[in-house]
Amino acid sequence: SQELEQSPQSLIVQEGKNLTINCTSSKTLYGLYWYKQKYGEGLIFLMMLQKGGEEKSHEKITAKLDEKKQQSSLHITASQPSHAGIYLCGADETGNQFYFGTGTSLTVIP
Amino acid sequence: DTGVSQDPRHKITKRGQNVTFRCDPISEHNRLYWYRQTLGQGPEFLTYFQNEAQLEKSRLLSDRFSAERPKGSFSTLEIQRTEQGDSAMYLCASSKRETQYFGPGTRLLVL
Repeated sequence: SQELEQSPQSLIVQEGKNLTINCTSSKTLYGLYWYKQKYGEGLIFLMMLQKGGEEKSHEKITAKLDEKKQQSSLHITASQPSHAGIYLCGADETGNQFYFGTGTSLTVIP
Repeated sequence: DTGVSQDPRHKITKRGQNVTFRCDPISEHNRLYWYRQTLGQGPEFLTYFQNEAQLEKSRLLSDRFSAERPKGSFSTLEIQRTEQGDSAMYLCASSKRETQYFGPGTRLLVL
């Protein structure tokens, strides 16, 4: 089955700093998704990457999928307290089952 | 609000009782998913529907768990004879294509 490892597990940064979260798969990814979760709430879709080398940006968040399609990174520029939460990468293996990483908890100190 | 909704948002029950959760997907989304999430972990896939057909079930879905989507719209997840280990957040998601949109979740506490 698909395994997704995220690093780091948790991150504490000063407001205004840049940060990167990584997601590594044990298998080739056919679709990689990034979600954000506020504590105790549902997941909010951020971005989906499908092609090797693909890069997408939304506001101050950029996600990339490497050429081999086994690793993705999420980069936040000039972090703000509103960026705080848990970031989850997810991927589907068969189109029917979906797997998530264990998440990266981000705290942004004002 | 046209997002995914779940009801109830919170449920406290005693061990051995049955509970049922409801999920209303985004209209026109033919795919519906159920996940379970425990503290500090990512969501774990439980089951998937395409319209009213249940196409995938995780081995996590023991015989105490049953999910239905009778008319291809809303779905219910029932847990019979609840155990303390069932305490978790139960998340529902729906999609039209690849991207899943999640509801706020139902937090279950089994005492």
